[in-house]
Amino acid sequence: SQQGEEDPQALSIQEGENATMNCSYKTSINNLQWYRQNSGRGLVHLILIRSNEREKHSGRLRVTLDTSKKSSSLLITASRAADTASYFCAGGDSNYQLIWGAGTKLIIKP
Amino acid sequence: ETGVTQTPRHLVMGMTNKKSLKCEQHLGHNAMYWYKQSAKKPLELMFVYSLEERVENNSVPSRFSPECPNSSHLFLHLHTLQPEDSALYLCASSQRLAIQNEQFFGPGTRLTVL
Repeated sequence: SQQGEEDPQALSIQEGENATMNCSYKTSINNLQWYRQNSGRGLVHLILIRSNEREKHSGRLRVTLDTSKKSSSLLITASRAADTASYFCAGGDSNYQLIWGAGTKLIIKP
Repeated sequence: ETGVTQTPRHLVMGMTNKKSLKCEQHLGHNAMYWYKQSAKKPLELMFVYSLEERVENNSVPSRFSPECPNSSHLFLHLHTLQPEDSALYLCASSQRLAIQNEQFFGPGTRLTVL
């Protein structure tokens, strides 16, 4: 199956800085979702962006989608220690299956 | 309880054991999923149920056997597993079987096969 791919695999920044994670995918998608996973726990949905949208905001989160480049980015502004987690993108195509990436591990240093 | 719950949270089993993982969702959703999460790999979708009917079985070995007795409960029966089956098994649910639906995940069962 086609995979999404996050970049970087790991990111370590100081609290208060902005964190940017990228996701690339191979097939056409209907929408792209971002999820967060705290260590060893289940995933939590953050935001969904549809293929006809270019940018979406939710609190300190900003997601962009470039369907021509088959890529998306997640920006977390003014990072906090509680943002330490792994972040996954998942693309939805015409089927009902989400195509997941391997995740970016984000560490926020106090 | 709210959301999606999974039991047990941790499980250690030998290759000859038979065990079951349980998932329960309290959200009134119609679709439920089993995922396998291995280190540094994308989530692997194993099984999908919609209104208690299995709609997907992604080439999963027969040593994994799902059961969905009703729309709130999902089981994964395990027998004669291999060490490479050690992983975090996640259950999820969504309102309907549609890609635009947000999936709600349980905390997972950490499985170790000796």
